[in-house]
Amino acid sequence: QVQLQESGPRLVKPSETLSLTCTVSGASISSHYWSWIRQLAGKELEWIGRIYASESANYNPSLKSRVTMSTDTSKNQFSLNLTSVTAADTAVYYCAREVAVAGLDTWGQGTLVTVSS
Amino acid sequence: DIQMTQSPSSLSASVGDRVTITCRASQSITHYLNWYQQKPGKAPKVVIYAASSLQRGVPSRFSGSGSGTDFTLTISNLQPEDFATYYCQQSYSTPYTFGQGTNLEIK
Repeated sequence: QVQLQESGPRLVKPSETLSLTCTVSGASISSHYWSWIRQLAGKELEWIGRIYASESANYNPSLKSRVTMSTDTSKNQFSLNLTSVTAADTAVYYCAREVAVAGLDTWGQGTLVTVSS
Repeated sequence: DIQMTQSPSSLSASVGDRVTITCRASQSITHYLNWYQQKPGKAPKVVIYAASSLQRGVPSRFSGSGSGTDFTLTISNLQPEDFATYYCQQSYSTPYTFGQGTNLEIK
């Protein structure tokens, strides 16, 4: 059974960097694409980007200048860094696995990150 | 970016009803359309992928159809556990995009 778990600070100050890690169990991080999605207060879902085994990453152009994703195969984890955050980045952040054709088939429970001084 | 437009944004129905939610893409996405169910405080869960394929473990009262730009999610014989918010999502090209959601409420 594949499980994903987000971890990282729940409170980030404006202009600082939001950093989250997703720990994967039951599947290898070296297979599949691994995505980050966020859900804003109005319930809108926004795809942030995805990474495949550190070989390639695709980012949402709306966030591309501020986003970096990476993987750590030794820990079976992947990470998200979002720089220069503002209150508009306050959201529930989810990590998820993408399976070809089958969509985002497994999600973490989500973590609320608040940007505030 | 491909824009996804769902309708209606909210829907009231009773247990046993049949409901349909529609999703329209701003350009053809062939069959790369997924439907998610989300309950309060929980992560979205895929119910239909590739427009019409039922995710393992999802009851057969859920069905999806469509191709190109127009898609539908139908839930027959609504059960209490089906009341939730439903989102469509295109996986045809990045950036992946979601519809704005349909809140299915008990009448």
